[in-house]
Amino acid sequence: QKEVEQDPGPLSVPEGAIVSLNCTYSNSAFQYFMWYRQYSRKGPELLMYTYSSGNKEDGRFTAQVDKSSKYISLFIRDSQPSDSATYLCAWDNYGQNFVFGPGTRLSVLP
Amino acid sequence: DADVTQTPRNRITKTGKRIMLECSQTKGHDRMYWYRQDPGLGLRLIYYSFDVKDINKGEISDGYSVSRQAQAKFSLSLESAIPNQTALYFCATSDPGQGPLQHFGDGTRLSIL
Repeated sequence: QKEVEQDPGPLSVPEGAIVSLNCTYSNSAFQYFMWYRQYSRKGPELLMYTYSSGNKEDGRFTAQVDKSSKYISLFIRDSQPSDSATYLCAWDNYGQNFVFGPGTRLSVLP
Repeated sequence: DADVTQTPRNRITKTGKRIMLECSQTKGHDRMYWYRQDPGLGLRLIYYSFDVKDINKGEISDGYSVSRQAQAKFSLSLESAIPNQTALYFCATSDPGQGPLQHFGDGTRLSIL
């Protein structure tokens, strides 16, 4: 089993839609759960992170973590064309090793 | 100016050539990382360094070497490039006091013919 699996995409949605991006993981040692956003020809940038089960909200973005199921999600409300990017889930193993999912490419159509 | 600068941004070279990718940072961070990104595989860690005297292998270090010349500089070398090393390479930095936040450069697109 791969250490991290992510919905492959690509995903196209109309502007204003609610987007759900999902990842599963197998390593129980992961401490931090993160979402990175990567625009074309740019490096990834940290969007959100959490270290506990439950929801964390930041504007239009909500990160959801379920440690018992080893499942994390990112929800984007009122999606905008500027949200078009590749979204990478990631985990931090106590600062020793960052593990990234393969990414889901999202296109928000005007 | 960018906090994490990678040079070159693009490179095309031939099989068997030695290649060096360079990374410099102005963040003042001790920790630096090299990743490669391939379609469908995401980012995979090649090497990481927690300070100038500390170098560690990552998930896919075979065929690569690194040098940490100073706190601000971390270079990645391919001693004898092969076509399956064609990928997008990223350098990143982090400060353990900032949690899991990593700062990435804009990448080097490397093609090996």
